[in-house]
Amino acid sequence: QKEVEQNSGPLSVPEGAIASLNCTYSDRVSQSFFWYRQYSGKSPELIMSIYSNGDKEDGRFTAQLNKASQYVSLLIRDSQPSDSATYLCAVTLSGTYKYIFGTGTRLKVLA
Amino acid sequence: GAVVSQHPSWVICKSGTSVKIECRSLDFQATTMFWYRQFPKQSLMLMATSNEGSKATYEQGVEKDKFLINHASLTLSTLTVTSAHPEDSSFYICSARDFGSGTYEQYFGPGTRLTVT
Repeated sequence: QKEVEQNSGPLSVPEGAIASLNCTYSDRVSQSFFWYRQYSGKSPELIMSIYSNGDKEDGRFTAQLNKASQYVSLLIRDSQPSDSATYLCAVTLSGTYKYIFGTGTRLKVLA
Repeated sequence: GAVVSQHPSWVICKSGTSVKIECRSLDFQATTMFWYRQFPKQSLMLMATSNEGSKATYEQGVEKDKFLINHASLTLSTLTVTSAHPEDSSFYICSARDFGSGTYEQYFGPGTRLTVT
């Protein structure tokens, strides 16, 4: 059973701080990794995709991938109260387009 | 770009009736769409993969005769919950992959909240 694990949280950070979200996965052959944000009662919204080892930056967001250690992380700089949401890590099941989702980490940014 | 719509956004039905949910990719072609279900405070669970012009592929434990999926065109997939029961009450979300993008990114519709009374 391929798995994706996240700390459920909540992770509380003060406004303006860096929020660090982590995700580990079991399928060594996975090639594609995604971070989604989901507000309560809404559907997931794609924040970042990352395919290669290293860092990928997009505005306040940085995704980090380490395939050897099988983890992917998301850093949110200058966190805002509007960033308060559940962040879902998704990993493609090798050889398919299907995602395996983690359980999500709830982030609270305190004003 | 990459907008996915779902209709209806919410529906209440009586036990034993059937409900159809539509998922449309508005500005791209989607040969593959996915249907998920999400219960409160849980993550998304993939129910099935919908392929244009062929039969859907269901995940283990999902009853294909209860959750009928039709992917009739490159922009439309439908999920019909047949003989719905209260335990089918959930948040149903579709996603679509842009066929022309060459990536694995999925774009999600806004979801349909189903309540079976």
